[in-house]
Amino acid sequence: QVTLKESGPALVKPTQTLTLTCKLSGFSLSTSGTRVSWIRQPPGKALEWLARIDWDDDKFYSPSLKTRLTISKDTPKNEVVLRMTKMDPVDTATYYCARMSAAGPYVWFDPWGQGTLVTVSS
Amino acid sequence: DIQMTQSPSSLSASVGDRVTITCRASQSISWYLNWYQQKPGEAPKLLIYAASNLQSGVPSRFSGSGSGTEFTLTINSLQPEDFATYFCQQSDETPVTFGQGTRLEIK
Repeated sequence: QVTLKESGPALVKPTQTLTLTCKLSGFSLSTSGTRVSWIRQPPGKALEWLARIDWDDDKFYSPSLKTRLTISKDTPKNEVVLRMTKMDPVDTATYYCARMSAAGPYVWFDPWGQGTLVTVSS
Repeated sequence: DIQMTQSPSSLSASVGDRVTITCRASQSISWYLNWYQQKPGEAPKLLIYAASNLQSGVPSRFSGSGSGTEFTLTINSLQPEDFATYFCQQSDETPVTFGQGTRLEIK
């Protein structure tokens, strides 16, 4: 069964760096074609894609957040890590990781992790 | 970035109704369009990929159509479990982008 599970702090202070971990089960980061993304959703708002990492260590970032984000993978642990610097209250959101599945050129997010709510407050 | 605009933003309907949600892209995205359902407190769930392909396990009352810049999600014979928020998402270009969501409520 393919699952993803996010973990990290529930509360961070403004200006701090957030580190989130996504544990993958049922599929491997070392398998050709594997891609994992991070997506967030502020309370009551829309989804926003943040970053993606591929099996071959290619990395992609949201242009609007690129300077603050770092995505990495720990293949032996089968984990994907997202770091976001200079956290601000507007970054309060539920953060999801999701596998990107594909058929030919078409890609989509499935499945998603359960999400982890991060609140930014002093 | 490609902007995705959904309409309506909210919709009230009754069990058994047929509803249609529209998603428009700011530029042509061919068939690179996916639909998700999200219930309160849950992660989004894939319904439709590549504009019209039903994800395995999703009931056949859900269907998707469209290409280019205009797409629709149709739900036939609404069931109580269908009341949720629906998002479209384009995968034609990076960054991928989502619509703002359509909240489907019980009338």
